[in-house]
Amino acid sequence: DTAVSQTPKYLVTQMGNDKSIKCEQNLGHDTMYWYKQDSKKFLKIMFSYNNKELIINETVPNRFSPKSPDKAHLNLHINSLELGDSAVYFCASSQDGVRAYNEQFFGPGTRLTVL
Amino acid sequence: AQSVTQLGSHVSVSEGALVLLRCNYSSSVPPYLFWYVQYPNQGLQLLLKYTTGATLVKGINGFEAEFKKSETSFHLTKPSAHMSDAAEYFCAVSDPALTGGGNKLTFGTGTQLKVEL
Repeated sequence: DTAVSQTPKYLVTQMGNDKSIKCEQNLGHDTMYWYKQDSKKFLKIMFSYNNKELIINETVPNRFSPKSPDKAHLNLHINSLELGDSAVYFCASSQDGVRAYNEQFFGPGTRLTVL
Repeated sequence: AQSVTQLGSHVSVSEGALVLLRCNYSSSVPPYLFWYVQYPNQGLQLLLKYTTGATLVKGINGFEAEFKKSETSFHLTKPSAHMSDAAEYFCAVSDPALTGGGNKLTFGTGTQLKVEL
């Protein structure tokens, strides 16, 4: 059983398009995250939701809009895609967003390529 | 603000040799410390973590790490490397003084481990 799943795995699109990435976790966790991994493999948090409430927003351009319909799902919508958005986007979840020692479980990633 | 430094973006060892991956952190308070592994084209998987208590932490796949507060370090070791250990390894920290602002992991830049025959 996949704990944290993301779709699609690969996404190739043109500059200026709008696209979405979906994430689902079946671990019963309260908190979900989006991370961006750039071409040098540097990982940086973008957003975190705790029980559908946004709790971390790390100065990400407002072209990026996360949406959490319920605590098991966290989607990422990106408007007006730019070349610099090309990266691997990872979804993660943890039991809660309060205890900083909680392990985060990562999805397999979505490789976004903007042409 | 917290930061993590991983010395050596690439480390190469022979199969059977000791693996040592270095991680130093900067934080106003001792953070919680994590090591994650990323196999090619996969997500990250937790190897081990330090929160409180015993400073030598054992993880999966024979890895261990020691928290040294005086050196602000959390180096990862494995006595004998196996070909299957080839992967990218990330050290990360989180802030124990979290006050409802979210459990944010700050990652190092990663170390690519290559294991040679």
